Amino acid sequence: QKEVEQDPGPLSVPEGAIVSLNCTYSNSAFQYFMWYRQYSRKGPELLMYTYSSGNKEDGRFTAQVDKSSKYISLFIRDSQPSDSATYLCAMSLEYGNKLVFGAGTILRVKS
Amino acid sequence: EPEVTQTPSHQVTQMGQEVILRCVPISNHLYFYWYRQILGQKVEFLVSFYNNEISEKSEIFDDQFSVERPDGSNFTLKIRSTKLEDSAMYFCASMRGDTGELFFGEGSRLTVL
Repeated sequence: QKEVEQDPGPLSVPEGAIVSLNCTYSNSAFQYFMWYRQYSRKGPELLMYTYSSGNKEDGRFTAQVDKSSKYISLFIRDSQPSDSATYLCAMSLEYGNKLVFGAGTILRVKS
Repeated sequence: EPEVTQTPSHQVTQMGQEVILRCVPISNHLYFYWYRQILGQKVEFLVSFYNNEISEKSEIFDDQFSVERPDGSNFTLKIRSTKLEDSAMYFCASMRGDTGELFFGEGSRLTVL
């Protein structure tokens, strides 16, 4: 079983749609959870950072962590063509420890 | 907005040659990292560096790799004798220390021929 699983997509949606991206993980000891956006041949850009379970909202983005199910989600409201990118989930065991990444989900938002 | 900067953006080298990739982390950050991403694959952790020493390294980070923080601003990754399989994007990242937010640079693409 992979440590972090993420559907690679591609996920194709019309502009304005609500997008749901998610990851599952096997190690219940993960405590820190992040979502990154990566454009082609660029570095990962931090979108959301959460510690332990719960929800966090920032503009059009909402991150959810359900540690009991070992499942994390990122929701994008009112999606735009500029949101077209690869979305990476990442998590770590302890503060400052290495991040373990998912494979990334390719998102395409059509205008 | 402060950012992590990396040079070179692209380097082509012959197998067996030494390569140094350079990074300038965000100025008040205390934790530094190198990750790599082989084309079409996951981002993988290589090494973390804190308080002037390696704090964690992966099995990828063998004796051919080394890191250094030669002054107060630069953080380098050296590959002593490159192999074909070292071809990848190498990302430097840094973290301030009062939050767990990790910020990445744009990457250095290494091509080993």
